[in-house]
Amino acid sequence: DADVTQTPRNRITKTGKRIMLECSQTKGHDRMYWYRQDPGLGLRLIYYSFDVKDINKGEISDGYSVSRQAQAKFSLSLESAIPNQTALYFCATANPGQGANEQFFGPGTRLTVL
Amino acid sequence: GENVEQHPSTLSVQEGDSAVIKCTYSDSASNYFPWYKQELGKGPQLIIDIRSNVGEKKDQRIAVTLNKTAKHFSLHITETQPEDSAVYFCAASIGTGTASKLTFGTGTRLQVTL
Repeated sequence: DADVTQTPRNRITKTGKRIMLECSQTKGHDRMYWYRQDPGLGLRLIYYSFDVKDINKGEISDGYSVSRQAQAKFSLSLESAIPNQTALYFCATANPGQGANEQFFGPGTRLTVL
Repeated sequence: GENVEQHPSTLSVQEGDSAVIKCTYSDSASNYFPWYKQELGKGPQLIIDIRSNVGEKKDQRIAVTLNKTAKHFSLHITETQPEDSAVYFCAASIGTGTASKLTFGTGTRLQVTL
């Protein structure tokens, strides 16, 4: 969905490096999410935020941190990347206040940690 | 927490045939069940969803059925077309029926052959 953008789209880095993945949205949604996708494991929730002052851990938050800089921006950081963090990362947004339940996903960031 | 199992992991059907993907969930408090379609190189996109107060929902060639007693739900695609080829994810949401926090299945890769 073009309303949710992720940068970079691809990144190759080395073990131990600090990496930041960025997500921006123009939907005006309050809720934002970070997922990782691995073959055979589906989508797993890393962190989520229901508004600018709210940050919650998901099922696999170890090794990751997030920052909600504004309603429209939600960044995911890997403080010291390791090879098993190689995955496809997705940002998503939602706004249940409109009566809908859909999560809107960005195009993904493919991260490779060597 | 919630656990969602999805089968099969891969499914190949001939164009025009039907495809069925099945999911089971563990937490009886779950009451919202969306299905997402992920095309190659893109983020997942909602295609249909169902709430626990409904047993079946249909939208053109796709339908979803829910059996609360057995805690399973299924996606049915009829008259499959090549553009249906994608990865499909089921999900479940615990609690109030919003998309606050979704637990995803592991995905089904559907291939529609000519």
